[in-house]
Amino acid sequence: DQQVKQNSPSLSVQEGRISILNCDYTNSMFDYFLWYKKYPAEGPTFLISISSIKDKNEDGRFTVFLNKSAKHLSLHIVPSQPGDSAVYFCAASEDDKIIFGKGTRLHILP
Amino acid sequence: DGGITQSPKYLFRKEGQNVTLSCEQNLNHDAMYWYRQDPGQGLRLIYYSQIVNDFQKGDIAEGYSVSREKKESFPLTVTSAQKNPTAFYLCASSRSWAETQYFGPGTRLLVL
Repeated sequence: DQQVKQNSPSLSVQEGRISILNCDYTNSMFDYFLWYKKYPAEGPTFLISISSIKDKNEDGRFTVFLNKSAKHLSLHIVPSQPGDSAVYFCAASEDDKIIFGKGTRLHILP
Repeated sequence: DGGITQSPKYLFRKEGQNVTLSCEQNLNHDAMYWYRQDPGQGLRLIYYSQIVNDFQKGDIAEGYSVSREKKESFPLTVTSAQKNPTAFYLCASSRSWAETQYFGPGTRLLVL
């Protein structure tokens, strides 16, 4: 039973436009959410996080939105750049564990 | 430079052989983790260690073993009992348990 779901396995976005990656979760006890970016044959790198007491966190081109009532979070990348092409993992944590989604592959089109 | 190193980058295993994947961190992190990534799958937790000399099984620990004799090191052994070892293995560490994890570059294990 997946507690963290990324329902879109892939997404293609034109360079310069906004990329929106979505993530849903089932466990209302999760109190911290993270996004990681992963290039092929490399380890994931931490991108941005948000605590459950907030509904938005922004860092440069990256913004994460959290909708607790819908158990949904999203990552917005504006503007999208070629180097953003990667797999993005959503993760959620409570006291004793972090659980990752299956990832969404983002393709930035020229 | 502080970081997490994994070696080797590629590892080949013969049938019935045990192999050990190395993970070292110089971030002074207490917690360390091993994940496995398969195509189309998320990161699945194999083992984790909250502190030196302690470790716990994750979701898919069967066929694997670990040790945590030093804070900096968390080697993973893939035993012959692991029937489907071909995967990309990722080591991570965090300052303390369930804080933001930082990942190493990964080791790809292939079976000959």
